[in-house]
Amino acid sequence: KAGVTQTPRYLIKTRGQQVTLSCSPISGHRSVSWYQQTPGQGLQFLFEYFSETQRNKGNFPGRFSGRQFSNSRSEMNVSTLELGDSALYLCASSLEPSPGDQYFGPGTRLTVT
Amino acid sequence: ILNVEQSPQSLHVQEGDSTNFTCSFPSSNFYALHWYRWETAKSPEALFVMTLNGDEKKKGRISATLNTKEGYSYLYIKGSQPEDSATYLCAPQGAAGNKLTFGGGTRVLVKP
Repeated sequence: KAGVTQTPRYLIKTRGQQVTLSCSPISGHRSVSWYQQTPGQGLQFLFEYFSETQRNKGNFPGRFSGRQFSNSRSEMNVSTLELGDSALYLCASSLEPSPGDQYFGPGTRLTVT
Repeated sequence: ILNVEQSPQSLHVQEGDSTNFTCSFPSSNFYALHWYRWETAKSPEALFVMTLNGDEKKKGRISATLNTKEGYSYLYIKGSQPEDSATYLCAPQGAAGNKLTFGGGTRVLVKP
């Protein structure tokens, strides 16, 4: 069974630009969560999607948004990039019902210059 | 769920020695506690999901216990090996969905 995949793996953007990251969950998993990892803040929850609906949201500004498609693939978008958005963005998928193991993808390393 | 604390932040262990470390979390609104192992350049790997007070889980040389009333969990590594070198993260989960709140992790380095 293929694992969680994320594209692209690396990205360099300029302040003010926007970016879209993609996550394909493990087949059959309908819950997708997104996390941001920075050296100073550790792993922080961004949002979770289940059956195309946002089920949970973390404490991030509105510049961070996401969506989920009918095939459970998810995208997250960051608009008006800031230097502080430079981070590793991880997505995780899981089966329902909760709680269960969440399987993480390899992440997208975003650098904002 | 706020204030998830892991201690110590880092640990140097001699190969063959056993070690343990702690995760503390608020006991209110508790639903489950997750442990992950995160090796450099890899994805976080799920170790355990624990839900009941007094739960004990084991995977090979690694085991964990859970106390939901006082809000802590211990992770134990028996007979540490160099391949156990990683950052170990705990993450309590509240009742709503799959939101995990991660602690800062305990970084374990096993010296041969």
